Amino acid sequence: NAGVMQNPRHLVRRRGQEARLRCSPMKGHSHVYWYRQLPEEGLKFMVYLQKENIIDESGMPKERFSAEFPKEGPSILRIQQVVRGDSAAYFCASSPAVNSGNTIYFGEGSWLTVV
Amino acid sequence: GESVGLHLPTLSVQEGDNSIINCAYSNSASDYFIWYKQESGKGPQFIIDIRSNMDKRQGQRVTVLLNKTVKHLSLQIAATQPGDSAVYFCAERVDNQGGKLIFGQGTELSVKP
Repeated sequence: NAGVMQNPRHLVRRRGQEARLRCSPMKGHSHVYWYRQLPEEGLKFMVYLQKENIIDESGMPKERFSAEFPKEGPSILRIQQVVRGDSAAYFCASSPAVNSGNTIYFGEGSWLTVV
Repeated sequence: GESVGLHLPTLSVQEGDNSIINCAYSNSASDYFIWYKQESGKGPQFIIDIRSNMDKRQGQRVTVLLNKTVKHLSLQIAATQPGDSAVYFCAERVDNQGGKLIFGQGTELSVKP
């Protein structure tokens, strides 16, 4: 998973604040995915983006969560008015495309704690 | 609904023994499968993958077997080492769904020296 850069690695927010998580994909990768992992659970798909486009947001909560992948700069996962249930590890992944055999590589994650 | 699940939540093996981690999937449309290793506090690390037109694929010390008849996937680790201790996840993907992965719950592998 070398190459997918996420920051911050750890973030503490009070209830009601906003959290912004950033992800820079591997060089040459134009597809970005966000996943959430609750303690003791597997990863759950949230959203799939290409540059300037949201391709699939079927895993995103309907409210407070948004994601973008601008033409320039990293992908951003934004959580507004955080609640304790948002505490989780958020992983970004990237791939060059979604053709057969293109592996999806993950970053080291951003651990959000809501107090 | 569609799901990927693991038979055993924990697996304890002796160093040097072979390990087998199993996974069941239910989406017959899935045509690409990946095994990831996740150490505490880190992101999932790619181990090995296999397409649905294959039934076996080997890597360095690892082998993935796919049985489409019973929708079963397994990861075999030869000569398990303490550094193999981690949680292992299987994941499936349906190519026409844009590369979205569906993960299983995970199996924790513990290697005893």
